[in-house]
Amino acid sequence: DTGVSQNPRHKITKRGQNVTFRCDPISEHNRLYWYRQTLGQGPEFLTYFQNEAQLEKSRLLSDRFSAERPKGSFSTLEIQRTEQGDSAMYLCASSPGTASGTEAFFGQGTRLTVV
Amino acid sequence: TQLLEQSPQFLSIQEGENLTVYCNSSSVFSSLQWYRQEPGEGPVLLVTVVTGGEVKKLKRLTFQFGDARKDSSLHITAAQTGDTGLYLCVIDNYGQNFVFGPGTRLSVLP
Repeated sequence: DTGVSQNPRHKITKRGQNVTFRCDPISEHNRLYWYRQTLGQGPEFLTYFQNEAQLEKSRLLSDRFSAERPKGSFSTLEIQRTEQGDSAMYLCASSPGTASGTEAFFGQGTRLTVV
Repeated sequence: TQLLEQSPQFLSIQEGENLTVYCNSSSVFSSLQWYRQEPGEGPVLLVTVVTGGEVKKLKRLTFQFGDARKDSSLHITAAQTGDTGLYLCVIDNYGQNFVFGPGTRLSVLP
């Protein structure tokens, strides 16, 4: 296993277009997280899944954003009608379980630029 | 909601110097991780601390978890240019999500 994989690494899109990102977590990890990071800031939580169930969504996740993890493996994050303010690095992470002290392993991120 | 503060926000030092960065929380947390992130990449896990008062060493990096489990520090001895990056402290919110601090951006100059 090579770790958490995110595709694409970079995406440039025109305002108003829809985009979809994919995350493949470490295979035995049942938790998967999405974060957004803007320049100079730490990552901000968007949502997470326990297997295929989406357990929490941040207020940052407007109705233009939707995330799925249909079979409890890979996940997709879709942004509809993109806005310039959506430009950011979108990070995915996975972790093995729910016990305290569990660690999150991050992918390399997808950098979105909305022009 | 737990809030994390990190200080300093920016730090620029010469190669060979020592430095310490800090992470503080508004409340007790169950565990804390330190990550380093380079531009255009995802954060990479450095260490996890769980027990109050715990000290962990990773080569030239020393991590300490406060006795009250509300703060942590990262000390780097004899910094190298390869240590340049954004240092993030992260708390495990009791099995929920992970909460990030704003980070300390370290620049080590040759």
